[in-house]
Amino acid sequence: DGGITQSPKYLFRKEGQNVTLSCEQNLNHDAMYWYRQDPGQGLRLIYYSQIVNDFQKGDIAEGYSVSREKKESFPLTVTSAQKNPTAFYLCASSGDRWSYEQYFGPGTRLTVT
Amino acid sequence: DQQVKQNSPSLSVQEGRISILNCDYTNSMFDYFLWYKKYPAEGPTFLISISSIKDKNEDGRFTVFLNKSAKHLSLHIVPSQPGDSAVYFCALRRGADGLTFGKGTHLIIQP
Repeated sequence: DGGITQSPKYLFRKEGQNVTLSCEQNLNHDAMYWYRQDPGQGLRLIYYSQIVNDFQKGDIAEGYSVSREKKESFPLTVTSAQKNPTAFYLCASSGDRWSYEQYFGPGTRLTVT
Repeated sequence: DQQVKQNSPSLSVQEGRISILNCDYTNSMFDYFLWYKKYPAEGPTFLISISSIKDKNEDGRFTVFLNKSAKHLSLHIVPSQPGDSAVYFCALRRGADGLTFGKGTHLIIQP
């Protein structure tokens, strides 16, 4: 079965700790994306990567970092510099940068206290 | 500066009737327009799309209309079913810049 996996589903951390959210896809897609969703808000783009070893900041990149060492994997690190890290995080992928349809993973709910 | 607006946070429709969800945008450079459906605590799933060269696209119970002069996009669901209750996001693409999402409309189908 092809798809996108995000783990874990729920994640709890103490304030001041960095935390890394995983995203893996076996769709052989070039482009991958990280979004954040807050209550009553749409999806806001954090980072995206159009190809291995390359990534770009989205609209709300401050306090986050990413890496793209493998085509299948695009982990997101929420650093202690992120002021409001508690949110629902969604990873997505598309065939390439010109593909309009993005496929989403099931999401990770991060709670920082 | 919100480029994509879904002005109705929620919409309640009786089962069997038509549901109409709306989306307005400001940037005429968007070239593809999509609708996603999302259940709580899950990722969005793609529903239907339309390119900027068309004004209508139909897929079963779902029809998307695009009015470029008014910069307005709508999704019609007919007949509405209980399983349609979800949050619907419009998402607009501008070339290779990825998708810009609206804030979503929570559709509630009442029996």
